[in-house]
Amino acid sequence: SQQGEEDPQALSIQEGENATMNCSYKTSINNLQWYRQNSGRGLVHLILIRSNEREKHSGRLRVTLDTSKKSSSLLITASRAADTASYFCATEGRGSTLGRLYFGRGTQLTVWP
Amino acid sequence: NAGVTQTPKFQVLKTGQSMTLQCAQDMNHEYMSWYRQDPGMGLRLIHYSVGAGITDQGEVPNGYNVSRSTTEDFPLRLLSAAPSQTSVYFCASRPSSYTYEQYFGPGTRLTVT
Repeated sequence: SQQGEEDPQALSIQEGENATMNCSYKTSINNLQWYRQNSGRGLVHLILIRSNEREKHSGRLRVTLDTSKKSSSLLITASRAADTASYFCATEGRGSTLGRLYFGRGTQLTVWP
Repeated sequence: NAGVTQTPKFQVLKTGQSMTLQCAQDMNHEYMSWYRQDPGMGLRLIHYSVGAGITDQGEVPNGYNVSRSTTEDFPLRLLSAAPSQTSVYFCASRPSSYTYEQYFGPGTRLTVT
């Protein structure tokens, strides 16, 4: 399976702290994306990093990609209670699998006020 | 724009019944897809379409049928419901296979008894 795997499965922190989630995958990718899902809702796209990029920033989000280790990390700085959600990484392959996203099982982040 | 809409929000079926989950988008996106989300499994791709009249199978297509007669609509048919199809179903769209951010609908929670 090309499915990504997030680590940890659950993360609990205080407001103001940073949250780091990791994602590992198995095959060559075109890009890797991170999504957020609030309880009972659909997924919302957060950030995308291409296979030839090593780091990207968007507001309080920082994502890194290490293709040699087939891993990515998502850092949320200065967490807020509103960041409480599940976070998923999704990989998009190359060639015949271009256009198809493979999701991991997610990290449940809880941010306490 | 309403974005991606799904109906119904909730559905209970008996084993062997058939039904259609509706998905529509008003963003003129070429690419649409269906995922199912099971506890602890992340999202898995069922079927996808790169444009009207073109569909293809994803990771878990068995027991499901799709068609794409218009750009806007991408219904998912359960041919003969089974308890294993109890899940939350998400429809997603994106402008094309070569633009990567996906927009998700709010989901349909299906229970098969």
